[in-house]
Amino acid sequence: ETGVTQTPRHLVMGMTNKKSLKCEQHLGHNAMYWYKQSAKKPLELMFVYSLEERVENNSVPSRFSPECPNSSHLFLHLHTLQPEDSALYLCASSQEGEVNYGYTFGSGTRLTVV
Amino acid sequence: AQSVTQLDSQVPVFEEAPVELRCNYSSSVSVYLFWYVQYPNQGLQLLLKYLSGSTLVKGINGFEAEFNKSQTSFHLRKPSVHISDTAEYFCAGIRMDSSYKLIFGSGTRLLVRP
Repeated sequence: ETGVTQTPRHLVMGMTNKKSLKCEQHLGHNAMYWYKQSAKKPLELMFVYSLEERVENNSVPSRFSPECPNSSHLFLHLHTLQPEDSALYLCASSQEGEVNYGYTFGSGTRLTVV
Repeated sequence: AQSVTQLDSQVPVFEEAPVELRCNYSSSVSVYLFWYVQYPNQGLQLLLKYLSGSTLVKGINGFEAEFNKSQTSFHLRKPSVHISDTAEYFCAGIRMDSSYKLIFGSGTRLLVRP
């Protein structure tokens, strides 16, 4: 499989649940990103991992916890979420320092918090 | 502030008509510029990019964009749209620091009507 794969595609969870989103890239990239896309709002960059180290955290609440065990995998652990956290969560990857190819995105996980 | 501005949140157009989606970038964004397209329930797909050279850039699906340094613009055009072009279009630029991070505009929804 090539590209960036996100699972699950859809997730419904209660506010007291704990769940995880998974992202896997097969492009040999060394940087990975989590974005949040809410209705009628710009794409929000949440976390950036470069060479498996978190290099950026844009004031994201602690109920979102990222994990990057290796350069191919990125997780977003979720716990005690709020209804306003319902959104499309997009993962992307890139080759750090190379602008030629931009970012490659996964298809996203549609999260609904009830 | 670092920004990419898409002035139109939605552009309705009839099938086979020409369309232009506007994008302006601030001086804090580099001249590495991209357009992405997002079809319903999918991730973002690279449409075209400007890195250097000819200011007219051709992309997939018959789209093209023109880089205009004096107007700090990178408008996307298509001479004749299809129903299947209905999607969200995002303009993006590389941040003017060493991080090579992408900054996205707020998106423009292209709605093609029969």
